[in-house]
Amino acid sequence: GQQLNQSPQSMFIQEGEDVSMNCTSSSIFNTWLWYKQDPGEGPVLLIALYKAGELTSNGRLTAQFGITRKDSFLNISASIPSDVGIYFCAGQRNYGQNFVFGPGTRLSVLP
Amino acid sequence: NAGVTQTPKFQVLKTGQSMTLQCAQDMNHNSMYWYRQDPGMGLRLIYYSASEGTTDKGEVPNGYNVSRLNKREFSLRLESAAPSQTSVYFCASSELVRFQGLYGYTFGSGTRLTVV
Repeated sequence: GQQLNQSPQSMFIQEGEDVSMNCTSSSIFNTWLWYKQDPGEGPVLLIALYKAGELTSNGRLTAQFGITRKDSFLNISASIPSDVGIYFCAGQRNYGQNFVFGPGTRLSVLP
Repeated sequence: NAGVTQTPKFQVLKTGQSMTLQCAQDMNHNSMYWYRQDPGMGLRLIYYSASEGTTDKGEVPNGYNVSRLNKREFSLRLESAAPSQTSVYFCASSELVRFQGLYGYTFGSGTRLTVV
């Protein structure tokens, strides 16, 4: 089946640092989503990307739809303690199909 | 508030017991899903319902059954619970075709199930 890989698996950063993570696949996707899961909660949608090369921001978060359509990137600028959580990417290969989720990147922010 | 509501939030079962996890959404979404989340495994799809009246197996359906009771409700049943089913279960709903800007899955807050 389709698989998404996320890297890094986990990361520890200092408050104020910028963060970069990515999501890759061997298949082409036409939509990418990025979710954040706070401890003890369900994932919440952060950003959606709909076309190759698209760059979209949501506050301190910026995500990009890779031009090959096989990857996506999420950057967080000036991290703060509430950024702690698991970040999931999800891809949809064709409209109307279910999304496939990556295994997540666990972010820890040290004060 | 609009969203996905799951009950119960926590449950402990003995091996062999049965139970039903309830899920309801009030966003008029056509599609609903059940996922399980285990450490290091991400979200794995158990069953989904693309629309009212239909259900399909996902990646890990064994040991589970589902019912799409109506457009709002999608329940997950464990007929004979096993320790391997200890997990956090998430229900989600969605429209899979973008027609009004942002779309994607909306998740409930989860049910933490322990089978002893």
